[in-house]
Order: sequence, then C-alpha cells, then structure tokens
Amino acid sequence: GAGVSQSPSNKVTEKGKDVELRCDPISGHTALYWYRQSLGQGLEFLIYFQGNSAPDKSGLPSDRFSAERTGESVSTLTIQRTQQEDSAVYLCASSRETGSEAFFGQGTRLTVV
Amino acid sequence: GEDVEQSLFLSVREGDSSVINCTYTDSSSTYLYWYKQEPGAGLQLLTYIFSNMDMKQDQRLTVLLNKKDKHLSLRIADTQTGDSAIYFCAESVQAGTALIFGKGTTLSVSS
Repeated sequence: GAGVSQSPSNKVTEKGKDVELRCDPISGHTALYWYRQSLGQGLEFLIYFQGNSAPDKSGLPSDRFSAERTGESVSTLTIQRTQQEDSAVYLCASSRETGSEAFFGQGTRLTVV
Repeated sequence: GEDVEQSLFLSVREGDSSVINCTYTDSSSTYLYWYKQEPGAGLQLLTYIFSNMDMKQDQRLTVLLNKKDKHLSLRIADTQTGDSAIYFCAESVQAGTALIFGKGTTLSVSS
C-alpha cells in the first residue's frame, strides 16, 4: 500500500477483554515496529519484527502483550485481559530495513473503560 | 544503554526561529532523525542526518550534529503557527535494532 495502515483507528473496550490491533506495513518493508504513546508521554518501544521474526521483544510491558507477523506483511498486536493502564495510542511503523527511515501509521487509540 | 533526551516544551512567537535540542548517549548511532507529530496524527519524518555529517539544511530546517557532545538540534527558521506540533528526535543505533525515540518537544507558536 501507499502508506502504513492501522486498524481500527479507535477502540473502546471493557477492562478484562482481549483486543487485537492490526498493522499493514508498506509493501516491501522488511522491518515493522510497534510503539505505544501514552497521554503526555513519549514513544515507548514495544517490539519489532525483521521479516516474520521478532529479535527484540524487550519492550512488551507484560505477558498479556503479544505480537505476530505473517508473510512479512501484516502484524497483529494482541493485548489480553486489558487493564485501564493499557489505554494509549498504539503506533506501528515500517522501514525498508531495520534502522532506516521509519514510516508511521496514524495509530490506534485504545481506551479501556 | 541507549537514551535520547529532549526538553519537553518550547514556546516561540510567529516569525522567530525555533531551536529544538536533543542529546543521545550511544556514540555508535548511524542515523539521527527528526519526526513531527501534529495533534491527532501519526509521526511524519521531517529530516534526518547521517552521523558523519555536521549539518544538513532543507528549506526552513537546519539540523546540526555535534558528535563529540552527542548533541543534535533542529532549527526552524521563520516559525509559523502551522509548525506547532510535537517534535521527536530518534536515533538508529545499529543495524538490527529499533529506532530509539526521545519523549518529544512540544512546540507552541503564538501569533
């Protein structure tokens, strides 16, 4: 696609429910990143993929968070048993290769009530 | 470990120059980036500089890199109200790692 696409753009969920956030990277980009931006905070690194593998999962806040990527394309970030502190904007980015210029999607605004 | 720091707020008057500063800790950084985030929008790459350069100019934007002091700055000439946004500094440490971002500097431009 022309840019990085994320869906949904907004998600309101009840505490304790599971949510899935989707990211469609730019075609041909091998690297894909997930970041989280909480209100008034900077960008918190969550996980990145090189191809379909995730060399660095160190940013995932807890074992309720997981992510996968298939076909070197779409990635899904799953949050199980959501908590109110999970409320944030989740940003996905992709780049041709790891460490090069990253292009960001518009983000998914997650609100846990 | 890697760390990127920025001041949180900057307020300027329309027509003045804005200078946003950033410091980083990892001397092996290869590329350094400036991203802009307008309200309710994603991040947009503004400009970047390779670590073997001292300066890069692109229209109203000037990036200065002091590698010895690990200091990066973004100067916006003739700042306009449309420049009001959050500006993020980011470093690419080495191949195979994610970009490391600062917390962002909120630029407020008053007319």
